[in-house]
Amino acid sequence: QKEVEQDPGPLSVPEGAIVSLNCTYSNSAFQYFMWYRQYSRKGPELLMYTYSSGNKEDGRFTAQVDKSSKYISLFIRDSQPSDSATYLCAMSVNAGKSTFGDGTTLTVKP
Amino acid sequence: DSGVTQTPKHLITATGQRVTLRCSPRSGDLSVYWYQQSLDQGLQFLIQYYNGEERAKGNILERFSAQQFPDLHSELNLSSLELGDSALYFCASSVGPDSYNEQFFGPGTRLTVL
Repeated sequence: QKEVEQDPGPLSVPEGAIVSLNCTYSNSAFQYFMWYRQYSRKGPELLMYTYSSGNKEDGRFTAQVDKSSKYISLFIRDSQPSDSATYLCAMSVNAGKSTFGDGTTLTVKP
Repeated sequence: DSGVTQTPKHLITATGQRVTLRCSPRSGDLSVYWYQQSLDQGLQFLIQYYNGEERAKGNILERFSAQQFPDLHSELNLSSLELGDSALYFCASSVGPDSYNEQFFGPGTRLTVL
């Protein structure tokens, strides 16, 4: 079993929809939780970073971490075609190693 | 543009060969990370260097090695290549030594082993 499991998708939604992307994990020592966005043929870019449990909001993006359930989510409000990409969750205990989910590919249709 | 450069963009080689991938971090960044991304394995952390010293090791094969030079650029050496080594190899850099420091990814090197 992988340490980090990500809903595989792919997801296809109409423009303006609310998107929910989710990951579960097994290592209770994870403290740092990240979401990356990866456009086709590009390197990943950091979207959101959260320490421990709680919510974090940045514009149309909200990251939620529930450590008791070992579950994290990324919500995208008012989704746009430019949000079409692969979204990767990543987690870290502390230094060095981040463990990534396999990614969820999102398509937002105009 | 993240400011991280990787060369070459594409590499095609044969099984059993050895290749070197190069990465230049963003100006001011001391950490360099190497990742492998393949269709069946997702993004896998290989190794991290911080200011010239190995900081963390992931699922890096013994056939693979890396180093970070005094000018902070890094090289990933892959030897005795196998078909399964075909993948995208990303380098990322960050200011600090910890993986939760924001990492900036390069455009990647696509390796094809025939």
